[in-house]
Amino acid sequence: SAVISQKPSRDICQRGTSLTIQCQVDSQVTMMFWYRQQPGQSLTLIATANQGSEATYESGFVIDKFPISRPNLTFSTLTVSNMSPEDSSIYLCSVARTSGLYNEQFFGPGTRLTVL
Amino acid sequence: KQEVTQIPAALSVPEGENLVLNCSFTDSAIYNLQWFRQDPGKGLTSLLLIQSSQREQTSGRLNASLDKSSGRSTLYIAASQPGDSATYLCAVDQGAQKLVFGQGTRLTINP
Repeated sequence: SAVISQKPSRDICQRGTSLTIQCQVDSQVTMMFWYRQQPGQSLTLIATANQGSEATYESGFVIDKFPISRPNLTFSTLTVSNMSPEDSSIYLCSVARTSGLYNEQFFGPGTRLTVL
Repeated sequence: KQEVTQIPAALSVPEGENLVLNCSFTDSAIYNLQWFRQDPGKGLTSLLLIQSSQREQTSGRLNASLDKSSGRSTLYIAASQPGDSATYLCAVDQGAQKLVFGQGTRLTINP
């Protein structure tokens, strides 16, 4: 398994501001992933963060809105920029661990963001 | 585009019952399927992972099956307990470890 921590666990922010969410993993991983879970919805992948290269964003998500850093193999940050109430969601990071021939994903506890 | 559907959206059963949660997906070209549990306001806990070449996996009272050709998976929970109350999510890995999630089944076990 993997032990993943996120900071902050929750925050309430004003519209127009930005929030940076941190994700720390207990050992080195190649790829880290950021997901969004809007109220009452399931999880949607925002981007894949690789160490040493630009993050890869999914359709509907752009770097200007969700800049990501990946300075080393155990840490990543996601920034939610110029926030609006529609950005109120739980943001989760995840990592994949290889066991034999397959990759199993593990998730952090999430950051609950409320934008007023 | 892969779509994952979970039925039912919510389920409430008395303690001790065996139950089945369903997950279907539209594109059978998957690497694996993973079942997660999410408690209110919390992150996801991995329950079971089934590789695309496997038919089922078991962990304790949980058994997950996979029929890739028909695009279906089931999660069987035996002898349900109140502590099993949570939202159960299935997710398929279509490659590059990117997961596509279903909407989840909100399960309530009544004492």
